Amino acid sequence: NAGVTQTPKFRILKIGQSMTLQCTQDMNHNYMYWYRQDPGMGLKLIYYSVGAGITDKGEVPNGYNVSRSTTEDFPLRLELAAPSQTSVYFCASNPGLANNGWQFFGPGTRLTVL
Amino acid sequence: GENVEQHPSTLSVQEGDSAVIKCTYSDSASNYFPWYKQELGKGPQLIIDIRSNVGEKKDQRIAVTLNKTAKHFSLHITETQPEDSAVYFCAASVRSGGYQKVTFGIGTKLQVIP
Repeated sequence: NAGVTQTPKFRILKIGQSMTLQCTQDMNHNYMYWYRQDPGMGLKLIYYSVGAGITDKGEVPNGYNVSRSTTEDFPLRLELAAPSQTSVYFCASNPGLANNGWQFFGPGTRLTVL
Repeated sequence: GENVEQHPSTLSVQEGDSAVIKCTYSDSASNYFPWYKQELGKGPQLIIDIRSNVGEKKDQRIAVTLNKTAKHFSLHITETQPEDSAVYFCAASVRSGGYQKVTFGIGTKLQVIP
């Protein structure tokens, strides 16, 4: 199993551009999450999904959109990139409520918006 | 909502010494407390966890303690080694609607000096 994979690893965007951060897991996990990590701020939840076709907002959803058409994939969309979205983005997954919230994380995508 | 505070933000220890990282949480309904280790350029990885009905858990050189009354939990690393150098995150997890909501601390950068 590859676990949770994320692409790209690095990306530089200009203000106003758009992009999609890809996330795929091969563990058949129902729950998937997107976090952003800023220096000294820990991990903040952007969006989460409890299954295909079901998504909901986390703590910091503004400026982002997600979709979950399959169990495996959970892409994060930035429509109009802003410098405040410069961050490291992590995708995570877990099987569901039974595991108490233990999450498998991907390797991250480092995004810079100039 | 849940608030998790983590101390210290940085910690330097000599190889072979012990390291202790402390966290407090605010929501008495939190029932699961994972600890993650994040090495440079990688995603967080679970290293140990504890449930609210347990006071202490140990796994080789790593141990976690939980005081539900005081709402604090700690990570203890004994006989530290250079490969223990990383950023460590504590987290508190509580059932919230349809998913297990996880709140992370801001992280502790541990440096083990050979």
